[in-house]
Amino acid sequence: NAGVMQNPRHLVRRRGQEARLRCSPMKGHSHVYWYRQLPEEGLKFMVYLQKENIIDESGMPKERFSAEFPKEGPSILRIQQVVRGDSAAYFCASSPPATGGAGELFFGEGSRLTVL
Amino acid sequence: ELKVEQNPLFLSMQEGKNYTIYCNYSTTSDRLYWYRQDPGKSLESLFVLLSNGAVKQEGRLMASLDTKARLSTLHITAAVHDLSATYFCALGAGTASKLTFGTGTRLQVTL
Repeated sequence: NAGVMQNPRHLVRRRGQEARLRCSPMKGHSHVYWYRQLPEEGLKFMVYLQKENIIDESGMPKERFSAEFPKEGPSILRIQQVVRGDSAAYFCASSPPATGGAGELFFGEGSRLTVL
Repeated sequence: ELKVEQNPLFLSMQEGKNYTIYCNYSTTSDRLYWYRQDPGKSLESLFVLLSNGAVKQEGRLMASLDTKARLSTLHITAAVHDLSATYFCALGAGTASKLTFGTGTRLQVTL
């Protein structure tokens, strides 16, 4: 039973390029969350998605960042025109369909983005 | 806005000693989680606390929750080097599993 799979694990981009990070949730999980962790900091919520729907994007920067979770395939976090401040670890987590609100998140190993 | 604060931010302790990490939060929450993170790795779920007075123990770690004081503690008993990691508390609220994380406590256990 594979866990949450993220790729790439490491990604290097130059300023102005695009970064695409992919996340496949655990089998049977229909909820996906993206978090960002800056060096020496805790994780900050970015976006919560279900299949074909963005449920909560209150943590997403207003520009350059977008996320999707299509009917088929992984969830994708896309960062356009990256800047050095985007360098961080991006974690994806998934949870099963809501069961009374006490769902637990299962995290992937993260994608570490470095912007040169 | 929910705020979560942990202290200390950094803790160096000798093997065999006991210590407690504190997690304070600003508003009512449904559930509190403790996670462990090793350098460059993902987060490993340690405990989920759902009600006032909840206490859970696993090996040398024990977590408790006081919802009236808005405080959770993670107590380490007779620390061993393998416990060296960063520990995060996180709070959930509402029906979704979206979490608000604390700043983390970096624990270093020395021989």
